[in-house]
Amino acid sequence: DAGVIQSPRHEVTEMGQEVTLRCKPISGHNSLFWYRQTMMRGLELLIYFNNNVPIDDSGMPEDRFSAKMPNASFSTLKIQPSEPRDSAVYFCASSLLQGYEAFFGQGTRLTVV
Amino acid sequence: DQQVKQNSPSLSVQEGRISILNCDYTNSMFDYFLWYKKYPAEGPTFLISISSIKDKNEDGRFTVFLNKSAKHLSLHIVPSQPGDSAVYFCAAPDNYGQNFVFGPGTRLSVLP
Repeated sequence: DAGVIQSPRHEVTEMGQEVTLRCKPISGHNSLFWYRQTMMRGLELLIYFNNNVPIDDSGMPEDRFSAKMPNASFSTLKIQPSEPRDSAVYFCASSLLQGYEAFFGQGTRLTVV
Repeated sequence: DQQVKQNSPSLSVQEGRISILNCDYTNSMFDYFLWYKKYPAEGPTFLISISSIKDKNEDGRFTVFLNKSAKHLSLHIVPSQPGDSAVYFCAAPDNYGQNFVFGPGTRLSVLP
């Protein structure tokens, strides 16, 4: 398996623009997670899905952030409108089941100018 | 809420010596813990786990120890190699046992 695949690897956008990050989890994994890594807050969980259903989105910082998982092999994280403080590395991860170790993608480095 | 602390932001060790990375947590309702390793520009990679039925788990040069009464775990790397230089994250279960809360990480530098 190719592992968790994220795209794009890098994204530079202007403040106010919409940004969409994409993720393909490992085939057969039932749980999917979106994390954000910053210097100040480290690795923080934004939202996770179980069997394509959002379970906990309490980590989503604001209503500008939204995530979807239309099927078992694809998820998106959208920021609209983007702001400079959204600049961070965003990771997607998947695990076989809830409570098991997650496998991470390579991340998307987002820069909002 | 579960809190995970890694009090050493960085650690430098000579090649061939032992590296010891420490982690403390607050909520012991679920006893299954993980260590991840992260290289620059890559995602964290799962390294080793431990559950409460053991107090030690070994995988090659990596050994994780769990002290449940102290709510403390540690990762030992011996012998350390330059390729081990990375950021190491400890992760503990959240309050519901459904996800993991990550510590802030320890940057390990193994000097040749």
